[in-house]
Amino acid sequence: QKEVEQNSGPLSVPEGAIASLNCTYSDRGSQSFFWYRQYSGKSPELIMFIYSNGDKEDGRFTAQLNKASQYVSLLIRDSQPSDSATYLCAVTAPSNDMRFGAGTRLTVKP
Amino acid sequence: GAVVSQHPSWVICKSGTSVKIECRSLDFQATTMFWYRQFPKQSLMLMATSNEGSKATYEQGVEKDKFLINHASLTLSTLTVTSAHPEDSSFYICSAETYRDRSTEAFFGQGTRLTVV
Repeated sequence: QKEVEQNSGPLSVPEGAIASLNCTYSDRGSQSFFWYRQYSGKSPELIMFIYSNGDKEDGRFTAQLNKASQYVSLLIRDSQPSDSATYLCAVTAPSNDMRFGAGTRLTVKP
Repeated sequence: GAVVSQHPSWVICKSGTSVKIECRSLDFQATTMFWYRQFPKQSLMLMATSNEGSKATYEQGVEKDKFLINHASLTLSTLTVTSAHPEDSSFYICSAETYRDRSTEAFFGQGTRLTVV
């Protein structure tokens, strides 16, 4: 079992819709959870991080964490074509190593 | 936000030569830095974890004699690809960790596109 799992996609949503990206992790001791966005050929950039159960909102982005179910999700409201990218879920284990999921490719169609 | 500078952003080298990539945390001290490589259409693959003043910890399957990592200060880590071969061509990314807001955050460098010809 992979430590961090994401649907590879591609996920396609129309412009203005809500894009929902999901991630599950295997280590119950995981402490911090991150979402990165990576445009093709570029380095990942941090969008959000969350470490407490519940929702965390930042503009059009909402991260949701459920430690009991070991999943973390990212919602993108009012999706824009510029949101088209690969979204990487990352988890910091107790060892402090950051483990990444394989990424979900999102395409927002105009 | 915290800034991590990686240099060079791209490099082309001849097979058999060595290439050094620098990773600097510009406005914070990073006790831990990570080196990743990324093949096309694949996720980041952790190569090694670098702690200031100590030897790097390499992931399984990564040749430590080929990928030399030096973390001489709290703001600088270097990755040297020795005797590079075409199969080493890849996108290399560093990240530096800092602890703030009760959480560990990692900030990434811009990445280095290495092409070995």
